[in-house]
Amino acid sequence: DTGVSQDPRHKITKRGQNVTFRCDPISEHNRLYWYRQTLGQGPEFLTYFQNEAQLEKSRLLSDRFSAERPKGSFSTLEIQRTEQGDSAMYLCASRTNREGGYTFGSGTRLTVV
Amino acid sequence: DAKTTQPNSMESNEEEPVHLPCNHSTISGTDYIHWYRQLPSQGPEYVIHGLTSNVNNRMASLAIAEDRKSSTLILHRATLRDAAVYYCIGAGGSSYKLIFGSGTRLLVRP
Repeated sequence: DTGVSQDPRHKITKRGQNVTFRCDPISEHNRLYWYRQTLGQGPEFLTYFQNEAQLEKSRLLSDRFSAERPKGSFSTLEIQRTEQGDSAMYLCASRTNREGGYTFGSGTRLTVV
Repeated sequence: DAKTTQPNSMESNEEEPVHLPCNHSTISGTDYIHWYRQLPSQGPEYVIHGLTSNVNNRMASLAIAEDRKSSTLILHRATLRDAAVYYCIGAGGSSYKLIFGSGTRLLVRP
């Protein structure tokens, strides 16, 4: 069990560019979540997958954001036409079906300049 | 979504017990109470969770009030590595998503 992996750890991009982040959950975890965290705040829920199905999206997830989880394994989060307000830590977490704890990755820190 | 209320910050001395309180008066009967902690520049780390009974694990103990309107996370002997932001969260429903508040920043004095 190598935990939840996120790639890249850091990303600096110019405003207007597209970025894509990857999350590899723990292999037996069928539920995967994306969160966003800005400085000094708790993480905010973005979206949730059960296997390959995206079952819930926050209203924080504007049309510029899209997430996928093909084949119910790794997941990607894409942000199109990035804005400075997108600068944040993007966290991925996974868990099993049971009402157990989440395992979070170390996050991808995005800086939009 | 169950809203929780925690003190903004608490201080403790190293090797002393720490009791971190949380109020969650709007929690539903089927919501689990989760605790996570977060160190700077890291993702949140699972600490403990429970439903009605008190829970113990190698990291901490969770004491849940009988009416489930509050709970207390107990660190039996604080170490400097326990200095972090601690989040208390009610989780339930079909998505079982975690809704984080601002948490309690724990400072541990050597």
